[in-house]
Amino acid sequence: AQSVTQPDIHITVSEGASLELRCNYSYGATPYLFWYVQSPGQGLQLLLKYFSGDTLVQGIKGFEAEFKRSQSSFNLRKPSVHWSDAAEYFCAVLSGGYNKLIFGAGTRLAVHP
Amino acid sequence: EPEVTQTPSHQVTQMGQEVILRCVPISNHLYFYWYRQILGQKVEFLVSFYNNEISEKSEIFDDQFSVERPDGSNFTLKIRSTKLEDSAMYFCASHSDSNQPQHFGDGTRLSIL
Repeated sequence: AQSVTQPDIHITVSEGASLELRCNYSYGATPYLFWYVQSPGQGLQLLLKYFSGDTLVQGIKGFEAEFKRSQSSFNLRKPSVHWSDAAEYFCAVLSGGYNKLIFGAGTRLAVHP
Repeated sequence: EPEVTQTPSHQVTQMGQEVILRCVPISNHLYFYWYRQILGQKVEFLVSFYNNEISEKSEIFDDQFSVERPDGSNFTLKIRSTKLEDSAMYFCASHSDSNQPQHFGDGTRLSIL
């Protein structure tokens, strides 16, 4: 069965530091992968997506992610974190013919000034 | 930018009562979804809806749940007789086709007393 694992439940970084959030997926075919961000009291906002082509994808707010088939990973990165990036981040894979999303458990990011 | 809107933002209901959660998807979208997130847990797929019928539903989506698109704009989730374990954040999502990402609303927090 398809699944998504986000190994880190909480991550704390200092403002200006680099960030990498890990995501591993289990999927038989070529996956469609997503990162969403959820700020407190808000819905899920799409950061970026990978469907095919270039394995390094750029998203909004300065985020990027790299698809590595050999490692079944789709890690999210940002070179310099801002205090406003504090939120919960969800990795997801598109599953099946009817396009349901399967989410990871999420990583909560805290940013220290 | 068009967005998915959900009402109400917070619903408090007595156990055993019926509740209807409302969503207005983006106007040109054709595929509609409900997901839920129990506090502290991952976002889970409930149901997908296309061409005026359910495309897929999860094990969670039992006979107590139903969805409807009563007119050209609204997409509703009804829980017939609520249980304590239905307390969660419910998200509506939509997209125009399978090659486009899903757009999420801000969610309805459902509290069952």
